[in-house]
Amino acid sequence: NAGVTQTPKFQVLKTGQSMTLQCAQDMNHEYMSWYRQDPGMGLRLIHYSVGAGITDQGEVPNGYNVSRSTTEDFPLRLLSAAPSQTSVYFCASRRAGRTEAFFGQGTRLTVV
Amino acid sequence: DAKTTQPNSMESNEEEPVHLPCNHSTISGTDYIHWYRQLPSQGPEYVIHGLTSNVNNRMASLAIAEDRKSSTLILHRATLRDAAVYYCILRDVRGDDKIIFGKGTRLHILP
Repeated sequence: NAGVTQTPKFQVLKTGQSMTLQCAQDMNHEYMSWYRQDPGMGLRLIHYSVGAGITDQGEVPNGYNVSRSTTEDFPLRLLSAAPSQTSVYFCASRRAGRTEAFFGQGTRLTVV
Repeated sequence: DAKTTQPNSMESNEEEPVHLPCNHSTISGTDYIHWYRQLPSQGPEYVIHGLTSNVNNRMASLAIAEDRKSSTLILHRATLRDAAVYYCILRDVRGDDKIIFGKGTRLHILP
């Protein structure tokens, strides 16, 4: 039981490049979310999903796309990376009806 | 979403109890009070949650005021490993799964 797995752990992108941050969970959780955390700040919600095929925007969705084709996976796509997207990204999952969310170890992204 | 107010930072001595306050004066009747913590260079982890009654688990205790406008997370005997940012979060369990974080309280443990 690996919990929530994020890949890669570190990534450097050039401005304008695109990439996908991967998030996978093996707990059969219905709910999954993506957050970003800037230095010295709290976490901000980017997008979330309440089940396969269902996604919605969080607090800071601009510049990011998500899809949820399976229960296990919730990838986050950066369409055209900008330096303002330099941050640590966390994925989380939770079972419906339960309150405890589980977080991955994070992906540290630098856009130059 | 109802807002919470926490001190930016607190200090405590090792092996002493720590009381982390949280004010939530606009809490609604269906808002649960959750606490998460984030250790350095890690993702947040769940600590405890409650609705009206005080709650205990292996990590901490949660004391909720009678009017529910404030709560206190209690670490009974702090260790250096408890140094983290602690987030107090309200979430309406009737609605969707959004968990919205504030800035939290950075807890420093002095050896």
